[in-house]
Amino acid sequence: AQTVTQSQPEMSVQEAETVTLSCTYDTSESNYYLFWYKQPPSRQMILVIRQEAYKQQNATENRFSVNFQKAAKSFSLKISDSQLGDTAMYFCAFMEGAQKLVFGQGTRLTINP
Amino acid sequence: EPEVTQTPSHQVTQMGQEVILRCVPISNHLYFYWYRQILGQKVEFLVSFYNNEISEKSEIFDDQFSVERPDGSNFTLKIRSTKLEDSAMYFCASSEDFGRSGEQYFGPGTRLTVT
Repeated sequence: AQTVTQSQPEMSVQEAETVTLSCTYDTSESNYYLFWYKQPPSRQMILVIRQEAYKQQNATENRFSVNFQKAAKSFSLKISDSQLGDTAMYFCAFMEGAQKLVFGQGTRLTINP
Repeated sequence: EPEVTQTPSHQVTQMGQEVILRCVPISNHLYFYWYRQILGQKVEFLVSFYNNEISEKSEIFDDQFSVERPDGSNFTLKIRSTKLEDSAMYFCASSEDFGRSGEQYFGPGTRLTVT
């Protein structure tokens, strides 16, 4: 079974700074999808960004971008110009098979004013 | 923008009681999922559902759990005899496509407290 590891339980940065959240995964598949989800205090799961493994180009969504290193099985999330509203739990997730998302343990990110 | 809705937002029940958690997926979506998140832990897959059948289920999804699409809009998760360890946040999700490109949209969750 695939596993997803987030090695940073908590991170804290000042508003407007750039922060990078780490994620590694283990799989024997060659084609797959990776995701970052945000879970604010309301606990709703919100998709931030996704990456298709067969695409070499890193995905970007406004202030959010990923650094996808397929050989290293690494998928980090970079948040630029961080805002107070970015405070949340961030989960890295791997699409296993055709339907099941496997989540990491999460990183609690706090943006300080 | 279409969204997945879930009711109730919080359910308190006594151990041994049956609970039904309800979800209304996005209307044109065909694939439905339940996930669970015990407080402070990661989100775990429970079950996926398509064409009125379970497509895949995890080892967590034992005989006390069942899912149903009783009509054209609702998708339910039933826990027959709740245990203390069933206390968790339960998320419903839906997707339009099946497979790796199928982005899953999550509902706001139902917090289940078993006392």
